Amino acid sequence: AQSVTQLGSHVSVSEGALVLLRCNYSSSVPPYLFWYVQYPNQGLQLLLKYTTGATLVKGINGFEAEFKKSETSFHLTKPSAHMSDAAEYFCAVSKGFGNEKLTFGTGTRLTIIP
Amino acid sequence: GAGVSQSPSNKVTEKGKDVELRCDPISGHTALYWYRQSLGQGLEFLIYFQGNSAPDKSGLPSDRFSAERTGGSVSTLTIQRTQQEDSAVYLCASSLRSTEAFFGQGTRLTVV
Repeated sequence: AQSVTQLGSHVSVSEGALVLLRCNYSSSVPPYLFWYVQYPNQGLQLLLKYTTGATLVKGINGFEAEFKKSETSFHLTKPSAHMSDAAEYFCAVSKGFGNEKLTFGTGTRLTIIP
Repeated sequence: GAGVSQSPSNKVTEKGKDVELRCDPISGHTALYWYRQSLGQGLEFLIYFQGNSAPDKSGLPSDRFSAERTGGSVSTLTIQRTQQEDSAVYLCASSLRSTEAFFGQGTRLTVV
């Protein structure tokens, strides 16, 4: 079975500061990993994904994440927070090709302090 | 269409009534998923359709919940004899094999 743990249901950072949202996973097979963002009253939008290859992946809006197999982690970072980054962020895992069912973490609500 | 379309966007129903939620996936996408998002909770997997394979129904919370996908395209999630704990946002997503899932805006269901 697969699972995702997001440490910190709420994270607050100052505008311009580093954003770090933590995600750890468990998977019986090499995982596919995703970060989704949800703005208020909207659906989920893909930020970035890791399938195979380069372990540092870059996404939209200046976000990036690094797949670390030894740590079973896929933390999301952004060097400088912007007010528009305030949203809820979800980490997800799937078994990949042929079984794309996503298992989500419980989400992290990011607040940006002016 | 350009994206995943869900209808209605909001639904208020009385306890005990049946409801149907509709999802129109992106044209050509073989996989379709339903998730439920309750207030303050994460996304709970409900059901997953992939092509002509038997659906993965392992996430359906009770036998009051069912879903079908007609012609490999449109899907309907049906909740019978609704209860207050069914109140949530129901999200549909679709994807091609081995690509990311694209989500609809969701249907907000309120059971009163």
